[in-house]
Amino acid sequence: AQSVTQLDSQVPVFEEAPVELRCNYSSSVSVYLFWYVQYPNQGLQLLLKYLSGSTLVESINGFEAEFNKSQTSFHLRKPSVHISDTAEYFCAGEGGFKTIFGAGTRLFVKA
Amino acid sequence: DSGVTQTPKHLITATGQRVTLRCSPRSGDLSVYWYQQSLDQGLQFLIQYYNGEERAKGNILERFSAQQFPDLHSELNLSSLELGDSALYFCASSAPGRRNTEAFFGQGTRLTVV
Repeated sequence: AQSVTQLDSQVPVFEEAPVELRCNYSSSVSVYLFWYVQYPNQGLQLLLKYLSGSTLVESINGFEAEFNKSQTSFHLRKPSVHISDTAEYFCAGEGGFKTIFGAGTRLFVKA
Repeated sequence: DSGVTQTPKHLITATGQRVTLRCSPRSGDLSVYWYQQSLDQGLQFLIQYYNGEERAKGNILERFSAQQFPDLHSELNLSSLELGDSALYFCASSAPGRRNTEAFFGQGTRLTVV
């Protein structure tokens, strides 16, 4: 079955601490992988994506994700988080003609 | 602003009623997706249309239906509403092309069934 699994439903972290949001995908999901972010009361917006090439992809606001084929993972990391990073993060992959989303991880950054 | 417009933003209705949610995709996007987001089930893919035709179907109830019109806007019809249908309904669109395309999401329609 096609699936994207986000291993943590909530991740609380202090400001300026590093964070990792974990994502695993099933082998039946294609290797076009995405991370979306949803800020409170807003729709989802693309954070970064992996299509091919370098396994490390970066976003403009300091997040990065590494595609690991052997572990079927696409974990999202940031070395130092800000209060403004508080949001829900969705990992997604392409399955057939549709995008399959994980259940989401709520990142809560505390002062 | 993603360029995807959803109306209405909020909707409150009673059980048993029928509502229509509307989505205008980004200019030039042929694909429209509908998602339901609820606290207990997260983000669920409902259905996708591509240039007027149904392309993929997810966990969409038989009480729900959708269509995409020649001008590419889409409508999601929800009927015989139940309390459990209360959720945030998102529409997303993406550009032509089968893969490698990100989806742009609207702000959503918050449906409350009372």
